Amino acid sequence: QVQLQESGPGLVKASETLSLTCTVSGVSISSYYWSWIRQPPGKGLEWIGFIHYSGTTKYNPSLKSRVTISVDTSKDELSLKLSSVTAADTAVYYCASSYSSRYDYWGQGTLVTVSS
Amino acid sequence: QSALTQPASVSGSPGQSITISCTGTSSDIGSYNLVSWYQQHPGKAPKLMISEGTKRPSGVSNRFSGSKSDNTASLTISGLQAEDEADYYCCSYAGSRMYVFGTGTKVTVL
Repeated sequence: QVQLQESGPGLVKASETLSLTCTVSGVSISSYYWSWIRQPPGKGLEWIGFIHYSGTTKYNPSLKSRVTISVDTSKDELSLKLSSVTAADTAVYYCASSYSSRYDYWGQGTLVTVSS
Repeated sequence: QSALTQPASVSGSPGQSITISCTGTSSDIGSYNLVSWYQQHPGKAPKLMISEGTKRPSGVSNRFSGSKSDNTASLTISGLQAEDEADYYCCSYAGSRMYVFGTGTKVTVL
């Protein structure tokens, strides 16, 4: 079955770069678009952006200047980098498969806390 | 790109039907039949319940149904059950390959 697993540091210092990896198994990474979505504690979901295995990306305009999403097809991994983080970037970060404007499969999520 | 508007909370008794609204604009919900709905239990990842406004994925109970009118999408849960108590989020395509989520609704089964 399709499984997604996020990994990365759970604590990042303010002004530094948050880096996360999502490992995909059970499906070819070329089968879907892949998205990152985040959820601050006690708050709603926010779309961060997506990538296609071809390298095509699209980012949320509110984060565009700080976000980079990339994919490594040889490892079936996608990654997220968010620069110049602040406390407002503290959230659970999810990776999810995207197809026809729906998110079928989600990782379990990983909490990233930005410390001052 | 503003979040879609959902009521903060909706409640109902077991067996009843409830409807959650999701209001957007003519640039997102009003322009596309591409609204999806997600159920999220505490500490868990969201789960797809409805896609493309009305389509139910395999394995999702037929007690869940979706609809749309103008700039507002709706999720109806019929025959409310205790296990339906969760947070629900809508999401819409917003054009230019961008997406926007709703503010979220907490469903309480009384």
